[in-house]
Amino acid sequence: QLVLTQSPSASASLGASVKLTCTLSSGHSSYAITWHQQQPEKGPRFLMKLNSDGSHTMGDGIPDRFSGSSSGAERYLTISSLQSEDEADYYCQTWGTGVVFGGGTKLTVL
Amino acid sequence: EVQLVESGGGLVQPGGSLRLSCAASGFTFSTYWVAWVRQAPGKGLEWVARIKQDGSAKYYVDSVKGRFTISRDNANNLLYLQMDSLRAEDTAVYYCARGRFPSGSFYYFDYWGQGTLVTVSS
Repeated sequence: QLVLTQSPSASASLGASVKLTCTLSSGHSSYAITWHQQQPEKGPRFLMKLNSDGSHTMGDGIPDRFSGSSSGAERYLTISSLQSEDEADYYCQTWGTGVVFGGGTKLTVL
Repeated sequence: EVQLVESGGGLVQPGGSLRLSCAASGFTFSTYWVAWVRQAPGKGLEWVARIKQDGSAKYYVDSVKGRFTISRDNANNLLYLQMDSLRAEDTAVYYCARGRFPSGSFYYFDYWGQGTLVTVSS
C-alpha cells in the first residue's frame, strides 16, 4: 500500500535552514511527490513537484529559498534563510491508483 | 493570475444536502482536470473527487461514493460538488484545486482555492 510518512512537527530558528522529510512506503521509492505549504487559516499553496532523481519543478512565484532533493525513498524539502511567514504546515502528495497525502509537518520558526 | 473561489458552504443537518461551487479564472478552465480536497478541523488534507476536462471521467474517495457528485460547467468556468446524505464526518473545509495529469502518469494539484467550510451538525 502506498503511504507517505511525515514527522508531525519540526522547528528551526529565524534565518536558519530546515529540512523536512517525506518517506515513501516500501516498494515505492521511484515515485515522484509534490510539496504544498499551508499557512495558518489559508488554502494550500503548491511549492514543487519532486522526482526520484532529485529534479524538481517549482510552483509559480515560489522563492528560491525553497528547494527539493531525493534519496532512496526519502523526499526532502529544504527551506533556507527561514522567515516568519514560513511557519506553516507542509504536506507531501503522491499518486498511485489515487491521490495520497502525507499527514503533514507543522513547522515552527523560533 | 489563476484564481479559484469556492462558495456554498454552511451549516447543515445530518442527512441534508449542500451544493458547493468553485469559480475559476485566469486560465483555460476546459483544458484542466479539477478536484475537491477537504480538511477536517485540525486534520490533514483528504482528496474527495476529481473530474476530467470534458467531464467524461469522475473519481471519488470511497467514503463519499454514492453520496457526492462532482460536475463542471466549462462554458462558465464553474466546478460543483453536490453533497447529499451528509454526515458529521463530512464536516471540513472544502478546497477546489486545479489538477495536472501529464501523460496520465502522475496527478497533482498546482493551484488551490481558499476553501469553504461545511459543518454537519444538528
